[in-house]
Formats: sequence, structure tokens, C-alpha cells
Amino acid sequence: QVQLVQSGSELKKPGASVKVSCKASGYTFTRYSIIWVRKAPGQGLEWMGRINTYTGTPTYAQGFTGRFVLSFDASVSTAYLQINGLQTEDTAVYYCARRDYHDSVDRFDPWGQGTLVTVSS
Amino acid sequence: QTVVTQEPALSVSPGGTVTLTCGLRSGSVSTSHYVSWYQQTPGQAPRTLVYNTNTLSSGVPDRFSGSILENKAALTITGAQADDESDYYCVVYMGSGIWVFGGGTKLTVL
Repeated sequence: QVQLVQSGSELKKPGASVKVSCKASGYTFTRYSIIWVRKAPGQGLEWMGRINTYTGTPTYAQGFTGRFVLSFDASVSTAYLQINGLQTEDTAVYYCARRDYHDSVDRFDPWGQGTLVTVSS
Repeated sequence: QTVVTQEPALSVSPGGTVTLTCGLRSGSVSTSHYVSWYQQTPGQAPRTLVYNTNTLSSGVPDRFSGSILENKAALTITGAQADDESDYYCVVYMGSGIWVFGGGTKLTVL
């Protein structure tokens, strides 16, 4: 079945970097974009950006430019979210999801299980 | 400022009907915004309920429905059940490959 499996929780110090992975299975990886979503404590979902796994083009939401880098390695069907210069405000659960876009379907599905990134000194 | 607006909180009685809305701070929501709706319970990943404004995702009970109501997207739950108590988010396609989530609605069933 179509599935996204994310890497485990991370505890980082301010200023460090983190790279979260999202491994896809059950479909052709390069046919569907991967999106990333942040869920900070007590906050709502925020759409961070998308990586087109066919062209390699990333698109970032306002507020997620500069320190945030989306990438992928098609040979292992894995997308990555890297956050540089971590700040305590980056503490959140980060989700990846497939943009399921075909025929008349356009949705984010399925979702990864989420990766908790905690930034603390 | 929130570009996509949702009611912060709503409540519904078991068996009752409730409508959650998803609007734009400026302008109207239309089918061209390809609105989808997601349900999230604490500690869980979001679950797709409705996409393309009004198409029910597979496996979602038909007590959920999506529509456009008075320039906003709407998610209606008819015959609410206790396990519908969740956070609900809409997401709107803004063009140029950018989507924006609404702030979410916390639905209480009581």
C-alpha cells in the first residue's frame, strides 16, 4: 500500500541543523510531489512547501524561506526537510504528505506519521 | 494575519448537524481553490476527509460533505458522533504552487 514513513524524533540545540526524512513506498516516487507541514505546540497546521519529485523544483511558503531546504533522493524514494540555524520556535511536529494529483483527484494523501523536532538548550 | 479563516471552535450535540466554514480574508472561495478538508486528533497525522471542494475521500463516512456556501467552502457533518470531536483544517490552493491552511476549528461534540 502507499505509505510514507518518517524518521524518528530529534532533540537539537539552538543553531544546529536537522534533516528529517520521509521514505515513500507503494508507488512511483517521481510521479507525485511531496509537501511538508508544520504543527507547532498549540498551533494549527502550516503548509511549509512542496518538492516536485519529477523536476526537482522546490516551492516554499512565506515564512519558510532561507533556513528551510526541501530535497529528495529518488534512488531511495525519500524526501528530506532540512532546517538550518534551529531556533526554539522551530519546535514542532513536522509531517510529510504526498500530493495525490491525478485524474480529478487533488489532495494531500497519505501522510507520514510525523517527526517531533525539539529545539532546546 | 490569517489569510484563510475558520471558526476557532464550534460545538454540536450528538446526532446534530454542524457546518464548518473556510473563507478568505479578501475575496471569495471557489472551486478553483481546490479546497480540501482534514481531520486531526491529538498525536495523530491528519486524515483526508474531502478534496476538490466536495469529493469525499475513500473510507470517509457519508455524514461528512463539502460544498461552497456564501463565498466560503464548507464542511458539514450530519448526524455528528462522539468520535467526530477533533480539529478540522481546510487548505486552499492560492496559485503558483502555494497552499495555505486555515487556522483550524476545534469541534466539540456534547
